[in-house]
Amino acid sequence: GIQVEQSPPDLILQEGANSTLRCNFSDSVNNLQWFHQNPWGQLINLFYIPSGTKQNGRLSATTVATERYSLLYISSSQTTDSGVYFCAVEVSGSRLTFGEGTQLTVNP
Amino acid sequence: NAGVTQTPKFRVLKTGQSMTLLCAQDMNHEYMYWYRQDPGMGLRLIHYSVGEGTTAKGEVPDGYNVSRLKKQNFLLGLESAAPSQTSVYFCASTLTRGTEAFFGQGTRLTVV
Repeated sequence: GIQVEQSPPDLILQEGANSTLRCNFSDSVNNLQWFHQNPWGQLINLFYIPSGTKQNGRLSATTVATERYSLLYISSSQTTDSGVYFCAVEVSGSRLTFGEGTQLTVNP
Repeated sequence: NAGVTQTPKFRVLKTGQSMTLLCAQDMNHEYMYWYRQDPGMGLRLIHYSVGEGTTAKGEVPDGYNVSRLKKQNFLLGLESAAPSQTSVYFCASTLTRGTEAFFGQGTRLTVV
């Protein structure tokens, strides 16, 4: 099956810093999503981005499908950005495969 | 519009007991999924359904059964719970293949 690798596994930032999270995948995909799992365990949709670039406030994402990677940018980080960020991709068979996530801690 | 709703939110079971988790979506989505999440890991697919009356196995189906009798509901059953099934369970739905997935709030299950 498809392999999804996220890096870095852990990231600690000071409030106000910028960061880039990466997701590499081993096959062509027809769906890619980024999620934020907050400290209460909720999975929040950030981006549905099988290709191209999207922005939503301080967050933006870029997927280069031909090179099999996606990047999530967080600018001017806030403590509320803390949590785990997951990349999930779909190849075929109607299901998302998740990476193991990046644990982000933003300190005040 | 509630999206995806899971019932219950928390449950403690004794080894060998059975239970059913309910997932309901009000978005008229065709596809529904059950995932489990263990500490420090991503989500792994248990079973999924591409339409009413259909189900299929995912990555970790052993010890679970599912049913999709109505389009809006997807049930996950544990016939004889084991401590290895202690996990957080998430339900998700998509309109069709390759579209955005929406998740429920999760069910935290502990088997003692």
